[in-house]
Amino acid sequence: DAGVIQSPRHEVTEMGQEVTLRCKPISGHDYLFWYRQTMMRGLELLIYFNNNVPIDDSGMPEDRFSAKMPNASFSTLKIQPSEPRDSAVYFCASSYPSGIRQYFGPGTRLTVT
Amino acid sequence: KNQVEQSPQSLIILEGKNCTLQCNYTVSPFSNLRWYKQDTGRGPVSLTIMTFSENTKSNGRYTATLDADTKQSSLHITASQLSDSASYICVVSADAGNMLTFGGGTRLMVKP
Repeated sequence: DAGVIQSPRHEVTEMGQEVTLRCKPISGHDYLFWYRQTMMRGLELLIYFNNNVPIDDSGMPEDRFSAKMPNASFSTLKIQPSEPRDSAVYFCASSYPSGIRQYFGPGTRLTVT
Repeated sequence: KNQVEQSPQSLIILEGKNCTLQCNYTVSPFSNLRWYKQDTGRGPVSLTIMTFSENTKSNGRYTATLDADTKQSSLHITASQLSDSASYICVVSADAGNMLTFGGGTRLMVKP
């Protein structure tokens, strides 16, 4: 099993640009989570999906952030427009129906200049 | 407000020694507590998951304890190895499993 796949691994963009992060969960997992990690705030849950449906997006910082899951094998996290304070590592994780044990991807390191 | 506090923030030990990391939480209602290991540049990997009724769980040289009355957990690492150098994150769930509160982590460095 390839595990959770995220792309790109690194992204550098200028303030104001649109950024799209991608995630492929482990096959058979029906929960998908997006997290953000910074030195100051640690790991934060942004949003999670169950069976492709967003269940809780209370962690999404503001309207500039949006996430979609068009099918069971693909999800995107979009930031538009990006700001320097969005610089962080963004992790995607997926889990089995029990939802307890989450498997994390390698993360996308985003730098907004 | 749900909170998870970990101590120490960082720790340096010699290879072969044991160490214990602490986690205090004020998450309610409690569902489960997890310990994750995160190597530099990698995503977190689950070490243990404990529910309310469990007070200890082991995974190789890692042993986690949970005291639901005092809302404390510890992660004990036995006979440390260089590969144990990582951040260890305590995570507490307040519902069936998906709304998580993360601790700030303990950064462990094992030196030869």
